[in-house]
Amino acid sequence: DAGVIQSPRHEVTEMGQEVTLRCKPISGHNSLFWYRQTMMRGLELLIYFNNNVPIDDSGMPEDRFSAKMPNASFSTLKIQPSEPRDSAVYFCASSPREAPNTGELFFGEGSRLTVL
Amino acid sequence: TQLLEQSPQFLSIQEGENLTVYCNSSSVFSSLQWYRQEPGEGPVLLVTVVTGGEVKKLKRLTFQFGDARKDSSLHITAAQPGDTGLYLCAGLDDKIIFGKGTRLHILP
Repeated sequence: DAGVIQSPRHEVTEMGQEVTLRCKPISGHNSLFWYRQTMMRGLELLIYFNNNVPIDDSGMPEDRFSAKMPNASFSTLKIQPSEPRDSAVYFCASSPREAPNTGELFFGEGSRLTVL
Repeated sequence: TQLLEQSPQFLSIQEGENLTVYCNSSSVFSSLQWYRQEPGEGPVLLVTVVTGGEVKKLKRLTFQFGDARKDSSLHITAAQPGDTGLYLCAGLDDKIIFGKGTRLHILP
């Protein structure tokens, strides 16, 4: 079975450009999470959805960040405009159960973003 | 704000040695998970502990949840190079938060 699929795996862009990261969760999973990982701050929860509905976006750093989940099989995380401090690995994860009682999280391989 | 502190941040030991890493918080969690992450990949769940004082074993790995459900430890017996990776603890309450991890390197 396919796991969580993220794209792109790597993105290098210039400050001010728009960045869109994509995620396809595991089929049948009911919750989806976006995390950001850096050496300094570790793995930070940005936002999560239950059944395609955003539940908690308190971790989204600022208005430049937005996330959508138009259907059960697709989510996007958009940064506009991007800044060098946004450079990080962005992970998408899904779970068969609704958050917060999710049990195991299944992570994608991540999207490494570098903003110059 | 709930925080999970993991220690040590880095650990490099010889193959065959034993080690313990820790995950501590001032907050109580309904359950706690341990994940291992390898370079270029996402974290993968190792275990979930739910009951205070619970001990779970996974081959050479032993996980313990503190009695007060605020802390946890991971003990590895006879470490092997395949144990190398970033070990993350995650606390579950109204949301799932992660510690920064312990980066473990086992030297052959």
